[in-house]
Amino acid sequence: SQTIHQWPATLVQPVGSPLSLECTVEGTSNPNLYWYRQAAGRGLQLLFYSVGIGQISSEVPQNLSASRPQDRQFILSSKKLLLSDSGFYLCAWITDPRGELFFGEGSRLTVL
Amino acid sequence: QKEVEQNSGPLSVPEGAIASLNCTYSDRVSQSFFWYRQYSGKSPELIMSIYSNGDKEDGRFTAQLNKASQYVSLLIRDSQPSDSATYLCAVGFGGGADGLTFGKGTHLIIQP
Repeated sequence: SQTIHQWPATLVQPVGSPLSLECTVEGTSNPNLYWYRQAAGRGLQLLFYSVGIGQISSEVPQNLSASRPQDRQFILSSKKLLLSDSGFYLCAWITDPRGELFFGEGSRLTVL
Repeated sequence: QKEVEQNSGPLSVPEGAIASLNCTYSDRVSQSFFWYRQYSGKSPELIMSIYSNGDKEDGRFTAQLNKASQYVSLLIRDSQPSDSATYLCAVGFGGGADGLTFGKGTHLIIQP
């Protein structure tokens, strides 16, 4: 069966510091991968998606970037965090063709 | 712009009663519809998917879809305190590559 892992689960970072969140999928090949953010009082916002190695689509212009160095690895990064980057970051993959989205455990980021 | 609307609640339902959650969406070309349950501090969990007009039942859950009215609902029968959570409605717009669009969720409270 397919599983998706994210780390770290929780982190507290100062404003201006860098960020790296990692996501790995097991049990499937060439998955479509997604980064969502859930900020306090707001819905799930799609940040990036990837249909293959090196292929990244950005949904929202922001202080973040994403990379897909391997088929089942998806990384979310920032060079300098802002207070507004605080939130719950969720990596997900989607089944084909039913289009069901499955999430990892999430990474909770607090920027101080 | 793709929009998914839900009443934020909280919706309070006595234990054993039927909880009814509603969702409307803006894009008529939407093809897939999902309900997720999210406990506080956890990632969303898929509980129902529906693709054609009518009802779909799975245990105590029934999803209802009316594409003409652009309306999706979720009924939870014999509500239990463990059903207390935020329920997210999500819509897919075809192809799956660009992910799902989520509503902000309805907070459901089941009162013992």
